[in-house]
Amino acid sequence: DIQMTQSPLFLPASVGDRVTITCRASQDIRNDLGWFQQKPGKAPKRLIYAASSLQSGVPSRFSGSGSGTKFTLTISTLQPEDFATYYCLQHNTYPWTFGHGTKVEIK
Amino acid sequence: VQLAESGGGLVEPGRSLRLSCATSGFTFGDYTLTWFRQTPGKGLEWVSSISSKDKGGTKEYAASVKGRFTISRDDSENMSYLQMNFLKTEDTAMYYCTRTDGDYFGDYWGQGTLVTVSS
Repeated sequence: DIQMTQSPLFLPASVGDRVTITCRASQDIRNDLGWFQQKPGKAPKRLIYAASSLQSGVPSRFSGSGSGTKFTLTISTLQPEDFATYYCLQHNTYPWTFGHGTKVEIK
Repeated sequence: VQLAESGGGLVEPGRSLRLSCATSGFTFGDYTLTWFRQTPGKGLEWVSSISSKDKGGTKEYAASVKGRFTISRDDSENMSYLQMNFLKTEDTAMYYCTRTDGDYFGDYWGQGTLVTVSS
C-alpha cells in the first residue's frame, strides 16, 4: 500500500499567517492527489484536485503544488473560517490512502 | 450535483446492513462511485469503488472489508449500494459516497450515514 505521510499533525496558527501542509507518498503517484478540508460534523470538502488545480468556488488563498512523491497545500493568508482539519488523498493506486490529517488550530 | 447516503443505524456484530447512495444532477452511469468511511475521532479510509459500465464495472475493496462488503450500482435509478455483512465493531464509522473520476474526483460528497456496530 502507498503510505501518505502528512505533516504536521497539529498546526497552531493565527489569522493572517501563511500555512503550509506537506504530504509525502511512499512511491510515485504522479499528480493523483487531492486536498480536502473537513470541519466537525461535516463531510470532507475538496479544495485541490490533480495536486494543483483549485476547486471551483474555493478561495484563491488555497494552492497546491507537487508531483511524484512530495506535495504541499498552502494557505497564503489564514482566515477565521480556515481553522479545520486538512487531509491529502492519493488515488493513483488501490487501496487509495489518506494522510492522517493536519488540524489547523488557533494559536 | 447531489449525493445522499442512507441506511445506517445500530446493528449487532455479525449482522448485516445495506447502505444506499442516491444521486442526482449528473450522468450517473459515466462515473466511478466510491464509498469512504471515517471512524469516530479518527481519519478517513477508502472502503470500496465501482467503475462505470464503460470501464467494466470493476469493483475494488479495502482489505479490511473484502469478502464481507459488496458494492453495486443501479444506473437506471442513479443509485449505489454497499451491502455490509458480518459486521465488526471496527466497522463503526460515518460512511460517505462520492463520485471519483478524473477532474471530478471527490468533488461532491453526501452528508454521510452513521453505522454503529455494537452489542
